[in-house]
Amino acid sequence: AQKVTQAQTEISVVEKEDVTLDCVYETRDTTYYLFWYKQPPSGELVFLIRRNSFDEQNEISGRYSWNFQKSTSSFNFTITASQVVDSAVYFCALSEAQAAGNKLTFGGGTRVLVKP
Amino acid sequence: EAGVVQSPRYKIIEKKQPVAFWCNPISGHNTLYWYLQNLGQGPELLIRYENEEAVDDSQLPKDRFSAERLKGVDSTLKIQPAELGDSAVYLCASSPGLAGRETQYFGPGTRLLVL
Repeated sequence: AQKVTQAQTEISVVEKEDVTLDCVYETRDTTYYLFWYKQPPSGELVFLIRRNSFDEQNEISGRYSWNFQKSTSSFNFTITASQVVDSAVYFCALSEAQAAGNKLTFGGGTRVLVKP
Repeated sequence: EAGVVQSPRYKIIEKKQPVAFWCNPISGHNTLYWYLQNLGQGPELLIRYENEEAVDDSQLPKDRFSAERLKGVDSTLKIQPAELGDSAVYLCASSPGLAGRETQYFGPGTRLLVL
């Protein structure tokens, strides 16, 4: 069974600080996909990134970067030079290629509060 | 391109009353999902559709919940009768297909409060 754990429930930082969100996953499948979503106070889940299990290359998009390490089953997310607009709940999620119908399993989320 | 549309955004009802939520997926997306999100938790899948067929409704409490996706586009999720424990956010998502690699795109959700 697939499982996603986000051990940090809440992180508070001051603007311009860097913040790293941890995500650890469990799966028996060799082909799987990892996702990060952002949920601002408005409630909508905003897609940030998708990574497949065969691509361990780290990715950077603006102030966002992701570190995927299969050896430790982790897919961590870093916000560099945080801004107040980054305040939101961030979810890590996993889907398995073998599972029927694109079942997406979410972690419990990490609330990020960026103070001015 | 328009995103996933949901209505209403907020709904307050008394227990034992019926309630319905509506979702319009991204144009061209064959797969539609309904999720339940309790406060402080990640979303949990209720049901998913491929076109008009429900391919997985194993997590849907069928004694009080029902869903339909007529013509394979819009979908409606209904609760009858509602209970206090149903207070949550109901999220709709869509994706081009069912494969695990497909990204799911979410709507703004309907926040339900049962009094």
